[in-house]
Amino acid sequence: EAGVVQSPRYKIIEKKQPVAFWCNPISGHNTLYWYLQNLGQGPELLIRYENEEAVDDSQLPKDRFSAERLKGVDSTLKIQPAELGDSAVYLCASSFTPPLAGGQNANTGELFFGEGSRLTVL
Amino acid sequence: SQQGEEDPQALSIQEGENATMNCSYKTSINNLQWYRQNSGRGLVHLILIRSNEREKHSGRLRVTLDTSKKSSSLLITASRAADTASYFCATRSNYKLTFGKGTLLTVNP
Repeated sequence: EAGVVQSPRYKIIEKKQPVAFWCNPISGHNTLYWYLQNLGQGPELLIRYENEEAVDDSQLPKDRFSAERLKGVDSTLKIQPAELGDSAVYLCASSFTPPLAGGQNANTGELFFGEGSRLTVL
Repeated sequence: SQQGEEDPQALSIQEGENATMNCSYKTSINNLQWYRQNSGRGLVHLILIRSNEREKHSGRLRVTLDTSKKSSSLLITASRAADTASYFCATRSNYKLTFGKGTLLTVNP
């Protein structure tokens, strides 16, 4: 079974240029996440999709970042314009979230991560 | 924001020794998960423990959870050089998974 696929693996751009990252989740996974990981830190959630709906984008800097998940499968994360502080690794992850049944689902499980897209802004 | 906080930040041991990493968190959780990340790679899920569980084993991994202290520990027994990686705890609250800053484990041959 293919894992989460991300591209590009590496991207170097000059500040103020646009950049886009693409993610193909594991087949059948309805939930897709974009995380930002700075050097020496843990991943921080940017946006979470349930199918094609962005259900949590509270940490996405909407002035320059945008994301879409058309048809509830692949997703694209865009930065325009990029700033020096955007240099980081952008991680995509997917999971299967079962339907809510009468309350919180404590069995909500693991995330499957891609290899990440490392962005360097010069 | 990062809820979980791992301790220590870095740990260096010899092959064959046990490695223990701790995680503390602040709010109530549905479950707690541990992930491993090799340098330059994505995160890989290791083990999940639910809020009503106290201990769980998987191969050489042992995880404990103390919800009264809001803490968890990950024990790796008989460590190998291939265990060298960063280890992150992640807390699940509702549908949100929040990661800590990680522990960098180095296992020397």
